[in-house]
Parts: sequence; C-alpha cells; structure tokens
Amino acid sequence: AQTVTQSQPEMSVQEAETVTLSCTYDTSESDYYLFWYKQPPSRQMILVIRQEAYKQQNATENRFSVNFQKAAKSFSLKISDSQLGDAAMYFCAYRSRETSGSRLTFGEGTQLTVNP
Amino acid sequence: DTGVSQNPRHKITKRGQNVTFRCDPISEHNRLYWYRQTLGQGPEFLTYFQNEAQLEKSRLLSDRFSAERPKGSFSTLEIQRTEQGDSAMYLCASSSTLPGQIFPANYGYTFGSGTRLTVV
Repeated sequence: AQTVTQSQPEMSVQEAETVTLSCTYDTSESDYYLFWYKQPPSRQMILVIRQEAYKQQNATENRFSVNFQKAAKSFSLKISDSQLGDAAMYFCAYRSRETSGSRLTFGEGTQLTVNP
Repeated sequence: DTGVSQNPRHKITKRGQNVTFRCDPISEHNRLYWYRQTLGQGPEFLTYFQNEAQLEKSRLLSDRFSAERPKGSFSTLEIQRTEQGDSAMYLCASSSTLPGQIFPANYGYTFGSGTRLTVV
C-alpha cells in the first residue's frame, strides 16, 4: 500500500516571500500521479498542481511549482510571492496509474499561515 | 453546472440515529468518490462508483455504512446506528474517464464542500 507523509504540520511565511512545503511518499510502483491540494476554511479541496511520475520536468502553475525527486520519493511544493489568499491547509496526494479505481491517498496536511 | 454539490452542509445527530448525505456530481462525470476526513487529518477513501456500479469499498466502510448511486447520477451515503467515532467531514468528489471531458481521471478530482457530521 502506498503512504504519503507530510512532516510539517504547520508552516508560516511573510507575504510576498517564498515557502516550500515538503512531502514524501512510499510506493513500489513506477507509474503514478502526485498532486497538491489546497483546502481553505471553506473546506472545498482545490487542485493546485499535479505531476506525472514519468515526466522528469517539474510541473509549474503560475506561482506554484514542484520539486519532484522520483528516486528519493520526494515531492515538495514551492509557493512564490505568497499572498494572503494562499493561507490554507495543503495536502499532498498520490494516485496510482497501475491499479484501477484512481483513489487518492493523502498526507496529513500542512497548515500554511501567511503573515501580512 | 456549478460543480459538486453536497447536502446538508452540517448534520448534528444523536448517537444511534441514522443519517443520509447526498452528493450531486458534475453531470458529465461518470466516477464518484466518497472520502472521510477527521479533524487535522487528510481525507481517507471510503468508496467509489463508476456510473451506477460501486466498484471499490475501503475496509473503513463498515457494515453500518452504505452508499448508492442510482442511475449513475447523484449518490447517497447512509450511516446507520451512528457512533461518536463517525463524527467527521464527509467529502464527495467526481471525475471523468471519458475522452474529451474536463478533469479526466488522470487528473485530480473536483471535490464538493463536504458534509460535517457531529454525533452527540
């Protein structure tokens, strides 16, 4: 079974600064997807960014980018130019491409605070 | 279509009572998922449907839990004889495996805002 670990329960950053959230995962599979989701107080999980394991290039979405290290099974999220609206709980998630169902396995989450 | 809709937003019930939640997915999506999220934790998979067929159930889904998706549209999740340990956020999500659809299954899903259950 796959596991996802987020070792930082809480992180804080100053507005306009850069912050990196860590995520590690464990799997015996070689083909999978990794995601970062944001969950603001409104509770709705919002997809921030995704990465296909077979792609070496790190995914980027505007101010959000990832550092995907497949051999190390590491998948960190970098938020540049942090904004007050980035404050939320962030979840790292794994999805297999090798098994059916496409269930997501989530980490425990990192609560991000953005200070003005 | 405004996304995935879940009702009610909040539910407070007495221990031992039955509760039912509803999820209306994005209409073009053929897959529907239920997750449970306890305070301070990430969501945990409960079950999923492809169209009307329930294809997978987690061991977390005890025999007090039942989910249905009649006609492959909306879904209901029922908890019988609720216990205090059932208190959690219940999240629904949908995705599509059909070509040409937005958010294909190789992406993440579209989540609803959840139903928060409190068992007193």
